[in-house]
Amino acid sequence: QKEVEQDPGPLSVPEGAIVSLNCTYSNSAFQYFMWYRQYSRKGPELLMYTYSSGNKEDGRFTAQVDKSSKYISLFIRDSQPSDSATYLCAMSPGEKLTFGTGTRLTIIP
Amino acid sequence: DVKVTQSSRYLVKRTGEKVFLECVQDMDHENMFWYRQDPGLGLRLIYFSYDVKMKEKGDIPEGYSVSREKKERFSLILESASTNQTSMYLCASSKTQSTDTQYFGPGTRLTVL
Repeated sequence: QKEVEQDPGPLSVPEGAIVSLNCTYSNSAFQYFMWYRQYSRKGPELLMYTYSSGNKEDGRFTAQVDKSSKYISLFIRDSQPSDSATYLCAMSPGEKLTFGTGTRLTIIP
Repeated sequence: DVKVTQSSRYLVKRTGEKVFLECVQDMDHENMFWYRQDPGLGLRLIYFSYDVKMKEKGDIPEGYSVSREKKERFSLILESASTNQTSMYLCASSKTQSTDTQYFGPGTRLTVL
């Protein structure tokens, strides 16, 4: 079993919809949780960063961490075609990051 | 703006060749990382370095070595390339901690024939 599980998709939703992306993990030592966005033929870039449990909001993006369930989510409101990308969750106990496999998202105009 | 550059976008090599992938960052970051990205496997850490001349093995170091002679430059070396090393290679850097934001380069698509 992988330490971090992420549904690879692909996921296609119409423009304006709310998108929910999720990861589960098995290592209870994970304290740092991140979401990276990767456009085609580019390197990943940090989108959201959360320490421990709770919610964090940044514009149209909300990151949630539920440590009791070992489950993290990224919500995208009012999705736009420019949100089409691969989204990777990443987490760490305090040292190196462990990444999910990524979910490919397409927003249909 | 942090910039991480990688020496090549695309590279084609033959089995058994020695391959050098170079990465340069311009923000005086202490940590540098090499990952490979494969469909269905995500990003996997090969090696990382937290200081000049220091290196630590990641999750999949076999078949690879690294060199960090200067703070801004981190090289990945495939001593004898094999077909199973065909992959996308991504370099990243972070300021001080591994959990600081990692800034990635654009990647090198390596094909080993």
